[in-house]
Amino acid sequence: DADVTQTPRNRITKTGKRIMLECSQTKGHDRMYWYRQDPGLGLRLIYYSFDVKDINKGEISDGYSVSRQAQAKFSLSLESAIPNQTALYFCATSETGGLYTQYFGPGTRLTVL
Amino acid sequence: SQELEQSPQSLIVQEGKNLTINCTSSKTLYGLYWYKQKYGEGLIFLMMLQKGGEEKSHEKITAKLDEKKQQSSLHITASQPSHAGIYLCGADTTSGSRLTFGEGTQLTVNP
Repeated sequence: DADVTQTPRNRITKTGKRIMLECSQTKGHDRMYWYRQDPGLGLRLIYYSFDVKDINKGEISDGYSVSRQAQAKFSLSLESAIPNQTALYFCATSETGGLYTQYFGPGTRLTVL
Repeated sequence: SQELEQSPQSLIVQEGKNLTINCTSSKTLYGLYWYKQKYGEGLIFLMMLQKGGEEKSHEKITAKLDEKKQQSSLHITASQPSHAGIYLCGADTTSGSRLTFGEGTQLTVNP
């Protein structure tokens, strides 16, 4: 079984709809991250969480919110989806402290019409 | 991110050829991570470099971090079609809080 899972893997929705993307991990890591990937722009950090009680904004948090329900679960919500939020979304996890390696989920492809 | 530049943006090589991808940071690198991504899929961790002058290898892929810790290179020897994909570098310039990623290099290896 995969260590970092994301659901759904693909989603098509309409402008104005509320969408939740979910991430679960079995690696026992405290830190979790949400990124979006757009062609030509690489990966950009949306939100990150260093533990259940610690949530931080990344470089492009506007229009998004997150919830860290447990150590193993980190959800990303789009309160009112818009077309320029069409992208590939990745969840990642890492250990705490010092230098770390981030391990990525398989991604969710979101299309907002 | 302008903080981290990758070059080239795309690369097409013939099977068996060697190639190099570069990642240059405007800030000192506390850690430099190389990932590979198949189109539309998740990122697979390849290697992490931390010390100036450090070099690591995995199969036919070698990564180096320069002495000044502001540039890394990824070198593939005798490329194969299985090496095709997007290579991304991720930089820790804040001593452990988060990574900044380059835009990626799209590698195509023709048989």
